[in-house]
Amino acid sequence: KNEVEQSPQNLTAQEGEFITINCSYSVGISALHWLQQHPGGGIVSLFMLSSGKKKHGRLIATINIQEKHSSLHITASHPRDSAVYICAVGVNRDDKIIFGKGTRLHILP
Amino acid sequence: DSGVTQTPKHLITATGQRVTLRCSPRSGDLSVYWYQQSLDQGLQFLIQYYNGEERAKGNILERFSAQQFPDLHSELNLSSLELGDSALYFCASSVVSAGTDTQYFGPGTRLTVL
Repeated sequence: KNEVEQSPQNLTAQEGEFITINCSYSVGISALHWLQQHPGGGIVSLFMLSSGKKKHGRLIATINIQEKHSSLHITASHPRDSAVYICAVGVNRDDKIIFGKGTRLHILP
Repeated sequence: DSGVTQTPKHLITATGQRVTLRCSPRSGDLSVYWYQQSLDQGLQFLIQYYNGEERAKGNILERFSAQQFPDLHSELNLSSLELGDSALYFCASSVVSAGTDTQYFGPGTRLTVL
């Protein structure tokens, strides 16, 4: 079992829909990161969380430390949100970084 | 533009060869991270340097080595290259650590080993 699991692996939705991507982890973490990778390959950091909730524009990220679970929400989704969304955790015990396998999101116009 | 630069953008070489990838972090960032992204493995953490010292080590092969110089730029050296080393190599930087700071990613170097 991977130490960081994301779901779903693939998601296709219509423009305007509310999107949720989930990330579960099994290790002690110092922080959790949500990253966005566009088809061109560039990676952008969306959020870094160690507790609670953060919001940036139409994006919301939450984390529940007790349940070892995080969610990334996109409100009023748009075709330009189409990308791969990757969850990554900084591991407490050794400072390593472990990535989920990513969620490929496709928003249809 | 993240402020992190990587050179070269593309690299094509043959098996058995040695290459050096270069990364310049954002101004003020002390930590540099190296990652490998291959089609079958996804993103994998290789190594982190903080202010010139190795801080954390991930799945980095013995054929690979890295260092961070006094001006904080970093180099990743890949030797005895194999076909399976073909991948995108990303560098990222942060002020201190991924446990406390946002990481900023470079555009990546695409390595093709023929």
